Amino acid sequence: QVQLQESGPGLVKPSQTLSLTCTVSGGSISSGSYYWSWIRQPAGKGLEWIGRIYTSGSTNYNPSLKSRVSISIDTSKYQFSLKLTSVTAADTAVYYCARGVVRGVVYFDYWGQGTLVTVSS
Amino acid sequence: QSVLTQPPSVSGAPGQRVTISCTGSSSNIGAGYDVHWYQQLPGTAPKLLIYVDSNRPSGVPDRFSGSKSATSASLAISGLQAEDEADYYCQSYDSSLGGSVFGGGTKLTVL
Repeated sequence: QVQLQESGPGLVKPSQTLSLTCTVSGGSISSGSYYWSWIRQPAGKGLEWIGRIYTSGSTNYNPSLKSRVSISIDTSKYQFSLKLTSVTAADTAVYYCARGVVRGVVYFDYWGQGTLVTVSS
Repeated sequence: QSVLTQPPSVSGAPGQRVTISCTGSSSNIGAGYDVHWYQQLPGTAPKLLIYVDSNRPSGVPDRFSGSKSATSASLAISGLQAEDEADYYCQSYDSSLGGSVFGGGTKLTVL
């Protein structure tokens, strides 16, 4: 059974960088059949796709966040990571990592439990 | 404002059938891109419910079904049960944005 687990600080100061890591277990992170994605959800609101990375390291980002987002992957550690710079209160959300299946339009078949990140001084 | 439009809420009595719509445009659903659906129970991560328009992952009851036509898609839930009370999201790809897009979500209340 594939499992994903987010980790990282739950509190980040405004203007600083949010950094999260997702650890994958129970399956291969190097498989060419999957993208590895970050998705977030502000309290009481809907889901927002942040971006994704392929095992090769190629990335795609949400245009609304592209200037501030970076996703990287370390296949040897079975981890992929998110960095979001210059955060504001609007970046406060539950952040999920998810596995995206590469089949036509990517769909997310496994999700982490989510981690709440609050941006506050 | 989400790229994909869903009704904020729907409701139904136990045993009834409800449908949730997901309306897009020519750059996403209307372009023929697949639509997927997720169920999010309170306080939990989303769970894949329907993939590629109408396919159910293993373990999802056949009470859940999906369809797509023109620029919209629908999720139908028949034989409504109390445990179906959740938020439901549609997801597709948008060529203008170059990535995944979600609907705003629909809260299902079982009366």
